[in-house]
Amino acid sequence: QSALTQPASVSGSPGQSITISCTGTSSDVGSYNLVSWYQQHPGKAPKLMIYEGSKRPSGVSNRFSGSKSGNTASLTISGLQAEDEADYYCCSYAGSRGDVFGTGTKVTVL
Amino acid sequence: QITLKESGPTLVKPTQTLTLTCTFSGFSLSTSGVGVGWIRQPPGKALEWLALIYWDDDKRYSPSLKSRLTITKDTSKNQVVLTMTNMDPVDTATYYCAHRRRGAVDPWGQGTLVTVSS
Repeated sequence: QSALTQPASVSGSPGQSITISCTGTSSDVGSYNLVSWYQQHPGKAPKLMIYEGSKRPSGVSNRFSGSKSGNTASLTISGLQAEDEADYYCCSYAGSRGDVFGTGTKVTVL
Repeated sequence: QITLKESGPTLVKPTQTLTLTCTFSGFSLSTSGVGVGWIRQPPGKALEWLALIYWDDDKRYSPSLKSRLTITKDTSKNQVVLTMTNMDPVDTATYYCAHRRRGAVDPWGQGTLVTVSS
């Protein structure tokens, strides 16, 4: 199965907002409200930031928000901070195919 | 508190079978809606979803790796085992297991690096 498509890199200055897109198909992102987003710092295991498209787990800053339109999901980070610099991955449930991850996006804080 | 830890060989030879064990605590794999998934990440590359087993023993596999993967669970031991046959150097990666619920994997284990080399 093909990975979900994300931009390779996104950058922004401290305090700005950035949005990461995650494009799938009508068989995954478009069919289920089960998109999740993960933050991964170098050498660390990924951390869940958003689940079920727009819900934040306890302890995750409200600067992180998720949305979906058609076959594309998005993660927005507002009030960008230095600690937000990391790799971000989306993931979608894909029915009988299980789950599928995105290609990953490196976020740089300028 | 949910914790998971992967264990298994750090080095396997090409064509060998890899067996990884995920030992977890803080939840039961007999609870409705709960699953355990396996994900890998080659050095410097993206995450790749591998397999998932649910509380009711329903199993899902990556279509591209399905012929090589088997996932099983031992509820009494709080363990999930992943086997991958015919290992190749391109399978060198950090392998993670993770608790899955409501369509998301959280938390993740620390990961274990498996190198495939002769």
